[in-house]
Amino acid sequence: EAQVTQNPRYLITVTGKKLTVTCSQNMNHEYMSWYRQDPGLGLRQIYYSMNVEVTDKGDVPEGYKVSRKEKRNFPLILESPSPNQTSLYFCASSFVSGTPGEQYFGPGTRLTVT
Amino acid sequence: GQQVMQIPQYQHVQEGEDFTTYCNSSTTLSNIQWYKQRPGGHPVFLIQLVKSGEVKKQKRLTFQFGEAKKNSSLHITATQTTDVGTYFCAGPEEMTTDSWGKLQFGAGTQVVVTP
Repeated sequence: EAQVTQNPRYLITVTGKKLTVTCSQNMNHEYMSWYRQDPGLGLRQIYYSMNVEVTDKGDVPEGYKVSRKEKRNFPLILESPSPNQTSLYFCASSFVSGTPGEQYFGPGTRLTVT
Repeated sequence: GQQVMQIPQYQHVQEGEDFTTYCNSSTTLSNIQWYKQRPGGHPVFLIQLVKSGEVKKQKRLTFQFGEAKKNSSLHITATQTTDVGTYFCAGPEEMTTDSWGKLQFGAGTQVVVTP
């Protein structure tokens, strides 16, 4: 089954404790991206990757890191989480036909930083 | 930078009525994509429009892409309770810009349907 998986689905952590949210897709998509969703703000792009070893900042990259060592995986790293990073996070992937196409979203990771 | 605005933010609709949600970008888009997110779910792709002035229909949903490729609309006829959710538009800038890989989403229109 074609899918994007994220782990963990729920996470409660404390300020400053490094964490990684994993994202994996099995559709051989070139493009992968992370978004955060907050009430009234829609989906805001954190980082995106057009292909292996190629990553770029989205609109809200501060406080986050990513890496794309393999085509299927795109982990999101919070080196020192803060309460303002409490949010719902979505990973997504797509083919690229010039520009990013139809985004396939993962189920989401709800993160709470206390 | 590019900004994508959606109006209205909320839409309360009586079952059977029609409504339209609008999407406006500050820059020219390469394409426009529409997504639907049910409460508690993740966004699901509905459609992509690429050409200037393009119109596409999916049953009761009609999507339009403006002539200048800076705005779009989603019109739903005879709203049903299954239409409940938040509708997002999204688009990458044209490939002539430096940020054509970036995908900008609007804040969404949350639709509530009253039976």
